[in-house]
Amino acid sequence: SQKIEQNSEALNIQEGKTATLTCNYTNYSPAYLQWYRQDPGRGPVFLLLIRENEKEKRKERLKVTFDTTLKQSLFHITASQPADSATYLCALRMNYGGATNKLIFGTGTLLAVQP
Amino acid sequence: DSGVTQTPKHLITATGQRVTLRCSPRSGDLSVYWYQQSLDQGLQFLIQYYNGEERAKGNILERFSAQQFPDLHSELNLSSLELGDSALYFCASSEREGFADTQYFGPGTRLTVL
Repeated sequence: SQKIEQNSEALNIQEGKTATLTCNYTNYSPAYLQWYRQDPGRGPVFLLLIRENEKEKRKERLKVTFDTTLKQSLFHITASQPADSATYLCALRMNYGGATNKLIFGTGTLLAVQP
Repeated sequence: DSGVTQTPKHLITATGQRVTLRCSPRSGDLSVYWYQQSLDQGLQFLIQYYNGEERAKGNILERFSAQQFPDLHSELNLSSLELGDSALYFCASSEREGFADTQYFGPGTRLTVL
C-alpha cells in the first residue's frame, strides 16, 4: 500500500531563513500532491496543490516541488516568520478510478520558527 | 474561519455507546468529507459524499456510517464505541466532487471514549 513519510522530528529554524520540509512516498506516483498547514487543535488549511506533470508551484513565500523520479516533494517557506510555526501535512491523491479515490495524508512535520 | 461548522466541539462518552457528529458545509459546497485524526494514525480519510450520494470510501470501520441530507449537511454515526475511537474528527467540504478541489476543514469534534 502507499506510504508517505514526512520528517517526524520537529524542524527548528531561525526567523528569516528558508524552511524546507520533505514528503517522500513509496510505490505508485500520485495524480497530485497537496500541502496543508495545521495549527494545534484546529483543522488543516489548504496551501498548495501540484500535479504529477508539474515540477514546481509557487504562492507568495511558498514553493512546492515534485520529483516523480525521486518520489519526493519539497515544501519551502522563504523568509520564515514565527507565525509560520505549525504542523505541515502533505497529502497524496492516488490515480485510481472510481470509488476508491482517496486522499492519503502524511503524519506531518512540526515547524518552529525562532525569533 | 473556513465556513464549515461542526458540532459538538467536544464529546465524552463511554465504551459501547453510540454518538452522532454533525457537519454543515460551506455555502455552495456539494462535497463533504470525513476524516479521523489520532496521535498514532495521523489524518485518515473516512468517507466522502457528493450531493447526497456516497462517492469515495477510505478506512471507515463497519461500526461507523455517514449520510448527507438534502440540505447538504452531513452526519457521522459512530456506534459500539471503543477506547481506540478517541480522536479528533474533522469534516471538510469542497465545491465539486474531485479531490483536487480545495477542501475546507471544519474545527473538528474531539471525541473521548472512556
